[in-house]
Amino acid sequence: GDSVTQMEGPVTLSEEAFLTINCTYTATGYPSLFWYVQYPGEGLQLLLKATKADDKGSNKGFEATYRKETTSFHLEKGSVQVSDSAVYFCALGHMLGGGNKLTFGTGTQLKVEL
Amino acid sequence: NAGVTQTPKFRVLKTGQSMTLLCAQDMNHEYMYWYRQDPGMGLRLIHYSVGEGTTAKGEVPDGYNVSRLKKQNFLLGLESAAPSQTSVYFCASSYTFHSPGDYEQYFGPGTRLTVT
Repeated sequence: GDSVTQMEGPVTLSEEAFLTINCTYTATGYPSLFWYVQYPGEGLQLLLKATKADDKGSNKGFEATYRKETTSFHLEKGSVQVSDSAVYFCALGHMLGGGNKLTFGTGTQLKVEL
Repeated sequence: NAGVTQTPKFRVLKTGQSMTLLCAQDMNHEYMYWYRQDPGMGLRLIHYSVGEGTTAKGEVPDGYNVSRLKKQNFLLGLESAAPSQTSVYFCASSYTFHSPGDYEQYFGPGTRLTVT
């Protein structure tokens, strides 16, 4: 079945450091890939997405490229801020009766310090 | 436009008690989902609904029931709560898809449930 593997956290960085959170997946067919972010005490929000191989999703300075050959969707940001502290979830999506079944990774907590 | 709301935000139950979690969305979405979030396990799908009056099982449905009597509401019930059901529960909703994979789920703020 589908599965998503993320790097374990927490990841602690200084402000303005470069961020990479690794995500690899196992899936049949052609899933869509997503990064969701969860700020403390809140629900998940979509950060970015990619729907086919070689697509690059981007939002708020974050980027991730759908690499089918390495089954990866790593999240990157060139310069993190304290406000980026949150838990980041990688997910893959497949059709579910016309809707979207999301399979999530376990989440990676990011802490950004001054 | 409130998006997806969940009631209650927190609840403590004793083993064997029952309760219902309410999810409401005002975006006219067809699809609604219930997830549970546990440490080190990400989010797991409990049940989902593809339209008013329809429900289906996700990957961890045991011990839960759901109902979708109105399009905007999706209820999650625990008939006899167990400590293993201590978790954070999230509701989500989404549109009918227009192209494969090109859609997102919108999440509520969560309900933190503790069963003692």
